[in-house]
Amino acid sequence: DTGVSQNPRHKITKRGQNVTFRCDPISEHNRLYWYRQTLGQGPEFLTYFQNEAQLEKSRLLSDRFSAERPKGSFSTLEIQRTEQGDSAMYLCASSLLIHGDSYEQYFGPGTRLTVT
Amino acid sequence: QKEVEQDPGPLSVPEGAIVSLNCTYSNSAFQYFMWYRQYSRKGPELLMYTYSSGNKEDGRFTAQVDKSSKYISLFIRDSQPSDSATYLCAMKWYGNKLVFGAGTILRVKS
Repeated sequence: DTGVSQNPRHKITKRGQNVTFRCDPISEHNRLYWYRQTLGQGPEFLTYFQNEAQLEKSRLLSDRFSAERPKGSFSTLEIQRTEQGDSAMYLCASSLLIHGDSYEQYFGPGTRLTVT
Repeated sequence: QKEVEQDPGPLSVPEGAIVSLNCTYSNSAFQYFMWYRQYSRKGPELLMYTYSSGNKEDGRFTAQVDKSSKYISLFIRDSQPSDSATYLCAMKWYGNKLVFGAGTILRVKS
């Protein structure tokens, strides 16, 4: 399977705990995106990387959120001191940048976070 | 006002019907337009990707873009129960992030 993969698929945690999610993009894709989706809404942009550089962060990404892509391959998204409002589906997508523009974004299956 | 507006439905149709799904947007900078299909508790799956105004066809799916009206549509011909899902429109300007509509729930009854 050469698609985008995410782990874990489902995470249940207690309020105040830290959680970390992993995303493995399509192998030749140099752009990686994180989105968050709540029930009944479309995905909302959080941040994106070009290779290992984090180029943009949404104002939705509070100080409790941090994302890394250390070697330009897989990425991690960490949420510290989780709150019930963090409960959502966290989606990762990847795309290929060609001649300064990135084309189709392909999404992974998502990590569903439940904060109790 | 949201940048991208999409009627959440649900839209319920009989099997074999032609389905029309629509989005309007306010930002004239958007240049690329996409439709994704999302099954319950799954990630979005890319269906159509268009750049210019006009129609693009792929099998039973036709995407239509009218930049002058800031209006995009997805038509599904000969709808099947397996088409039952949430359909998300998305758009972006040069590079970078996608901006999504809220999604329309489609139910195709056999």
